Amino acid sequence: GENVEQHPSTLSVQEGDSAVIKCTYSDSASNYFPWYKQELGKRPQLIIDIRSNVGEKKDQRIAVTLNKTAKHFSLHITETQPEDSAVYFCAASIYQHDMRFGAGTRLTVKP
Amino acid sequence: NAGVTQTPKFQVLKTGQSMTLQCAQDMNHNSMYWYRQDPGMGLRLIYYSASEGTTDKGEVPNGYNVSRLNKREFSLRLESAAPSQTSVYFCASSAGTAGNTIYFGEGSWLTVV
Repeated sequence: GENVEQHPSTLSVQEGDSAVIKCTYSDSASNYFPWYKQELGKRPQLIIDIRSNVGEKKDQRIAVTLNKTAKHFSLHITETQPEDSAVYFCAASIYQHDMRFGAGTRLTVKP
Repeated sequence: NAGVTQTPKFQVLKTGQSMTLQCAQDMNHNSMYWYRQDPGMGLRLIYYSASEGTTDKGEVPNGYNVSRLNKREFSLRLESAAPSQTSVYFCASSAGTAGNTIYFGEGSWLTVV
């Protein structure tokens, strides 16, 4: 089955800096790659996703890139703000029920 | 729309006790899921229901059972709770089974002592 590795496990940046979180996956058949943000004590919420027929997707300060050949994808957050502080999870799947999540990255944005 | 709602939010159980976590969604989604979240391990799928009337095992099904009561409701039962089942449980739903956004409930914090 699919295996997803996520790095780093913790990331601390200054407000205004950029943050990058990287994930690798093992199953070349995976075609859907969502990113979830989870604030402390809250539910995970989708912030952006990308499908395998697209190499990059942007939504305001957030972007995701996908390299199918290398089987890795990354989340880029620009101009970070304190409210970006949370745990971020990547995931990879073909079908929803085989979705595998990374272990998470705790991002801290220092004012 | 409330989205995905689950109860209870917090529960403490003694080893060997049983309990049922309830989940309902009002988004007319076909697929529903139960995940557990443990520190440093992300979210792992326990059971899922691709559509009303079907249920299947996920990655970590041992010690759990589920019931898809109708299109809206999907319950998770612990028959004989064990300390290893101490976790945060999330119910979730999606419109379909491939490439759809998964919407999560608020979570249920379960402690087994």
